Amino acid sequence: EAQVTQNPRYLITVTGKKLTVTCSQNMNHEYMSWYRQDPGLGLRQIYYSMNVEVTDKGDVPEGYKVSRKEKRNFPLILESPSPNQTSLYFCASSNLQGSSNEQFFGPGTRLTVL
Amino acid sequence: RKEVEQDPGPFNVPEGATVAFNCTYSNSASQSFFWYRQDCRKEPKLLMSVYSSGNEDGRFTAQLNRASQYISLLIRDSKLSDSATYLCVVRGNSGYALNFGKGTSLLVTP
Repeated sequence: EAQVTQNPRYLITVTGKKLTVTCSQNMNHEYMSWYRQDPGLGLRQIYYSMNVEVTDKGDVPEGYKVSRKEKRNFPLILESPSPNQTSLYFCASSNLQGSSNEQFFGPGTRLTVL
Repeated sequence: RKEVEQDPGPFNVPEGATVAFNCTYSNSASQSFFWYRQDCRKEPKLLMSVYSSGNEDGRFTAQLNRASQYISLLIRDSKLSDSATYLCVVRGNSGYALNFGKGTSLLVTP
Protein backbone atom coordinates (compact mmCIF):
# COMPACT_ATOMS: atom_id res chain seq x y z
CA GLU A 1 0.00 0.00 0.00
CA ALA A 2 1.32 3.41 -1.02
CA GLN A 3 1.75 5.48 2.09
CA VAL A 4 3.67 7.98 4.17
CA THR A 5 4.44 6.86 7.70
CA GLN A 6 5.51 8.93 10.68
CA ASN A 7 6.80 7.94 14.07
CA PRO A 8 6.02 8.53 16.78
CA ARG A 9 2.38 9.48 16.42
CA TYR A 10 2.27 11.08 19.85
CA LEU A 11 5.10 12.43 21.95
CA ILE A 12 5.31 14.36 25.21
CA THR A 13 8.76 15.62 26.05
CA VAL A 14 10.53 18.30 28.06
CA THR A 15 12.29 21.45 27.01
CA GLY A 16 15.79 20.86 25.69
CA LYS A 17 15.60 17.11 25.16
CA LYS A 18 16.61 16.35 21.58
CA LEU A 19 14.10 14.39 19.56
CA THR A 20 13.64 13.06 16.04
CA VAL A 21 10.40 12.43 14.22
CA THR A 22 10.83 9.96 11.40
CA CYS A 23 9.08 10.08 8.04
CA SER A 24 9.18 7.42 5.37
CA GLN A 25 7.41 7.05 2.02
CA ASN A 26 7.23 4.01 -0.25
CA MET A 27 6.17 5.76 -3.46
CA ASN A 28 9.65 6.68 -4.72
CA HIS A 29 8.74 10.37 -4.51
CA GLU A 30 11.45 12.95 -5.03
CA TYR A 31 9.78 15.71 -3.06
CA MET A 32 9.26 15.53 0.70
CA SER A 33 8.17 18.20 3.12
CA TRP A 34 7.44 18.88 6.78
CA TYR A 35 4.57 21.05 8.00
CA ARG A 36 3.30 22.11 11.35
CA GLN A 37 -0.35 22.87 11.96
CA ASP A 38 -1.49 25.17 14.72
CA PRO A 39 -4.99 26.47 15.54
CA GLY A 40 -5.72 29.67 13.67
CA LEU A 41 -2.50 29.47 11.67
CA GLY A 42 -3.16 26.60 9.31
CA LEU A 43 -0.44 24.46 7.76
CA ARG A 44 2.99 26.05 7.59
CA GLN A 45 5.96 24.54 5.83
CA ILE A 46 9.07 23.92 7.94
CA TYR A 47 11.53 22.35 5.49
CA TYR A 48 11.36 20.57 2.20
CA SER A 49 13.57 18.41 0.03
CA MET A 50 13.59 18.09 -3.74
CA ASN A 51 15.79 14.99 -3.73
CA VAL A 52 18.50 13.14 -1.83
CA GLU A 53 20.94 15.55 -0.14
CA VAL A 54 18.87 18.55 -1.30
CA THR A 55 16.98 20.37 1.46
CA ASP A 56 15.71 23.89 1.85
CA LYS A 57 13.95 26.07 4.39
CA GLY A 58 10.23 26.63 4.30
CA ASP A 59 8.34 29.38 6.07
CA VAL A 60 9.11 28.43 9.69
CA PRO A 61 12.46 26.59 9.85
CA GLU A 62 13.79 28.05 13.12
CA GLY A 63 14.48 25.38 15.73
CA TYR A 64 14.33 22.49 13.27
CA LYS A 65 16.77 20.46 11.20
CA VAL A 66 16.20 17.85 8.53
CA SER A 67 18.27 15.43 6.51
CA ARG A 68 17.69 13.48 3.32
CA LYS A 69 20.29 10.75 3.11
CA GLU A 70 17.94 8.32 1.38
CA LYS A 71 15.08 8.99 -0.98
CA ARG A 72 12.44 7.35 1.18
CA ASN A 73 13.31 8.97 4.54
CA PHE A 74 13.09 12.57 5.70
CA PRO A 75 13.50 12.87 9.48
CA LEU A 76 12.70 16.05 11.38
CA ILE A 77 15.09 16.87 14.20
CA LEU A 78 14.46 19.18 17.12
CA GLU A 79 17.86 19.69 18.75
CA SER A 80 16.50 21.61 21.75
CA PRO A 81 12.71 21.58 21.76
CA SER A 82 10.84 24.47 23.33
CA PRO A 83 7.16 24.80 24.33
CA ASN A 84 6.39 26.92 21.24
CA GLN A 85 7.15 23.84 19.16
CA THR A 86 4.15 22.08 20.63
CA SER A 87 2.14 21.36 17.53
CA LEU A 88 0.73 18.81 15.10
CA TYR A 89 3.39 17.85 12.55
CA PHE A 90 2.76 16.38 9.11
CA CYS A 91 5.21 14.91 6.67
CA ALA A 92 4.23 14.85 3.01
CA SER A 93 5.66 13.59 -0.25
CA SER A 94 4.93 14.05 -3.92
CA ASN A 95 6.15 13.14 -7.34
CA LEU A 96 7.91 15.96 -9.18
CA GLN A 97 6.91 14.57 -12.56
CA GLY A 98 3.55 15.34 -14.11
CA SER A 99 1.23 18.25 -13.52
CA SER A 100 -0.74 17.05 -10.52
CA ASN A 101 1.97 17.10 -7.86
CA GLU A 102 -0.56 15.77 -5.36
CA GLN A 103 1.00 15.73 -1.93
CA PHE A 104 0.43 12.63 0.17
CA PHE A 105 0.46 13.27 3.88
CA GLY A 106 1.49 11.08 6.76
CA PRO A 107 -0.95 10.56 9.66
CA GLY A 108 0.62 13.30 11.77
CA THR A 109 2.68 13.50 14.95
CA ARG A 110 1.21 15.33 17.91
CA LEU A 111 4.11 16.80 19.90
CA THR A 112 3.83 18.41 23.33
CA VAL A 113 6.90 20.12 24.80
CA LEU A 114 6.61 20.85 28.51
CA ARG B 1 -1.41 39.87 3.09
CA LYS B 2 -1.64 36.09 3.39
CA GLU B 3 -1.09 34.26 0.12
CA VAL B 4 -4.24 32.18 0.34
CA GLU B 5 -7.31 33.41 2.19
CA GLN B 6 -10.47 31.55 3.04
CA ASP B 7 -13.55 32.23 5.13
CA PRO B 8 -12.95 30.03 8.18
CA GLY B 9 -16.64 29.38 8.76
CA PRO B 10 -17.98 27.32 10.35
CA PHE B 11 -20.63 26.60 7.79
CA ASN B 12 -23.50 24.67 9.38
CA VAL B 13 -25.87 23.26 6.76
CA PRO B 14 -28.61 20.63 6.76
CA GLU B 15 -28.27 17.41 4.82
CA GLY B 16 -29.15 17.88 1.19
CA ALA B 17 -28.17 21.54 1.09
CA THR B 18 -25.84 23.11 -1.42
CA VAL B 19 -22.88 24.95 0.03
CA ALA B 20 -20.14 27.01 -1.59
CA PHE B 21 -16.68 27.91 -0.34
CA ASN B 22 -14.53 30.68 -1.70
CA CYS B 23 -10.84 31.32 -1.66
CA THR B 24 -8.61 34.12 -2.94
CA TYR B 25 -4.89 34.02 -3.66
CA SER B 26 -2.41 36.86 -3.92
CA ASN B 27 0.24 35.56 -6.35
CA SER B 28 -1.04 36.17 -9.86
CA ALA B 29 1.67 33.87 -11.24
CA SER B 30 0.34 30.85 -9.35
CA GLN B 31 0.18 27.77 -11.51
CA SER B 32 -1.79 25.04 -9.79
CA PHE B 33 -4.81 25.00 -7.55
CA PHE B 34 -6.34 22.36 -5.35
CA TRP B 35 -8.93 21.64 -2.73
CA TYR B 36 -7.85 19.35 0.10
CA ARG B 37 -10.12 17.87 2.73
CA GLN B 38 -9.05 17.41 6.33
CA ASP B 39 -11.06 15.45 8.86
CA CYS B 40 -10.65 16.26 12.53
CA ARG B 41 -7.15 15.35 13.76
CA LYS B 42 -6.38 13.56 10.51
CA GLU B 43 -4.06 14.33 7.63
CA PRO B 44 -5.15 16.46 4.66
CA LYS B 45 -6.12 14.53 1.54
CA LEU B 46 -6.54 15.78 -1.99
CA LEU B 47 -10.20 16.31 -2.85
CA MET B 48 -9.73 17.67 -6.34
CA SER B 49 -7.51 19.76 -8.54
CA VAL B 50 -8.97 22.97 -9.95
CA TYR B 51 -8.67 23.72 -13.65
CA SER B 52 -9.25 26.96 -15.53
CA SER B 53 -12.19 25.47 -17.37
CA GLY B 54 -13.82 24.35 -14.15
CA ASN B 55 -14.22 20.72 -13.22
CA GLU B 56 -16.73 18.47 -11.57
CA ASP B 57 -16.41 15.26 -9.60
CA GLY B 58 -19.77 13.88 -8.60
CA ARG B 59 -21.38 16.32 -6.17
CA PHE B 60 -18.31 18.56 -6.11
CA THR B 61 -17.61 21.37 -8.57
CA ALA B 62 -14.49 23.52 -8.55
CA GLN B 63 -14.06 26.79 -10.40
CA LEU B 64 -11.06 29.02 -11.01
CA ASN B 65 -11.16 32.68 -11.99
CA ARG B 66 -7.61 33.74 -12.79
CA ALA B 67 -8.55 37.36 -13.49
CA SER B 68 -10.03 37.75 -10.01
CA GLN B 69 -7.59 35.30 -8.41
CA TYR B 70 -10.51 33.44 -6.96
CA ILE B 71 -11.24 29.73 -6.47
CA SER B 72 -14.50 28.16 -5.42
CA LEU B 73 -15.81 24.78 -4.34
CA LEU B 74 -19.47 23.89 -4.61
CA ILE B 75 -20.90 20.87 -2.81
CA ARG B 76 -24.36 19.77 -3.85
CA ASP B 77 -26.69 17.48 -1.90
CA SER B 78 -24.52 17.64 1.25
CA LYS B 79 -24.02 14.43 3.20
CA LEU B 80 -23.18 14.02 6.87
CA SER B 81 -19.88 12.55 5.75
CA ASP B 82 -18.96 15.83 4.04
CA SER B 83 -18.37 17.38 7.47
CA ALA B 84 -14.71 18.34 7.49
CA THR B 85 -12.36 21.24 6.97
CA TYR B 86 -11.73 22.18 3.34
CA LEU B 87 -8.32 23.63 2.53
CA CYS B 88 -7.72 25.82 -0.48
CA VAL B 89 -4.21 25.16 -1.78
CA VAL B 90 -2.15 27.06 -4.36
CA ARG B 91 1.20 26.28 -5.92
CA GLY B 92 3.31 29.19 -7.12
CA ASN B 93 5.14 29.56 -10.37
CA SER B 94 8.48 28.37 -8.99
CA GLY B 95 9.30 25.34 -6.97
CA TYR B 96 6.86 22.80 -5.66
CA ALA B 97 5.89 24.36 -2.35
CA LEU B 98 2.17 24.51 -1.68
CA ASN B 99 0.53 27.45 0.06
CA PHE B 100 -2.38 26.40 2.23
CA GLY B 101 -5.32 28.46 3.27
CA LYS B 102 -6.34 28.12 6.90
CA GLY B 103 -9.35 26.07 5.92
CA THR B 104 -13.13 26.39 5.97
CA SER B 105 -15.00 24.25 8.44
CA LEU B 106 -18.19 22.52 7.28
CA LEU B 107 -20.68 20.79 9.52
CA VAL B 108 -23.57 18.97 7.86
CA THR B 109 -26.40 18.25 10.27
CA PRO B 110 -29.26 15.72 10.05
